[in-house]
Amino acid sequence: GAVVSQHPSWVICKSGTSVKIECRSLDFQATTMFWYRQFPKQSLMLMATSNEGSKATYEQGVEKDKFLINHASLTLSTLTVTSAHPEDSSFYICSAQKQKNTEAFFGQGTRLTVV
Amino acid sequence: AQSVTQLGSHVSVSEGALVLLRCNYSSSVPPYLFWYVQYPNQGLQLLLKYTSAATLVKGINGFEAEFKKSETSFHLTKPSAHMSDAAEYFCAVSDQAGTALIFGKGTTLSVSS
Repeated sequence: GAVVSQHPSWVICKSGTSVKIECRSLDFQATTMFWYRQFPKQSLMLMATSNEGSKATYEQGVEKDKFLINHASLTLSTLTVTSAHPEDSSFYICSAQKQKNTEAFFGQGTRLTVV
Repeated sequence: AQSVTQLGSHVSVSEGALVLLRCNYSSSVPPYLFWYVQYPNQGLQLLLKYTSAATLVKGINGFEAEFKKSETSFHLTKPSAHMSDAAEYFCAVSDQAGTALIFGKGTTLSVSS
């Protein structure tokens, strides 16, 4: 199977600090990874598409300076929430595809709480 | 542009009853369609996918879905619900590039004994 591991599974941080979330494809190479945000009882909203070795493509309305995405290798993408505020509290989920038009494999998600 | 509509944000069934979760899509290209299940505070698990082969797709845990182009639908069914099926279900379509998934708003399935 294809496994995507996300770390940490939950994190609590103080307002104004930064938090890094890692997304790893454990048994396959993923040239493209995706970051989603999910509010309680709502669907997943695509934040950005992360391409290995190049800049991420952000969806409209997502602040690229606030949500920094780095895709340094074919198996690792990171999302850094900078200067976090309580309204950034949410469930963040990453996914990775082996190739186009195939299913995405999802990480376990990260519950971020900013206090 | 691709989009997905899930009719019914909440579906309740009795254990052993038929499960029917509705999904309609809009796509400017031949669609690739998916159903995912999400348990509380977890990521998403793929139930099944349609990729232009057979229109009746069988997935895991006894679920299946039928692609109907004329109705632009991809409804998810299961003949007999189990308590363990209680979860959030998402229908999704690939975007035009065939990469990112566009999700419906989700349907919460409750199963009572």
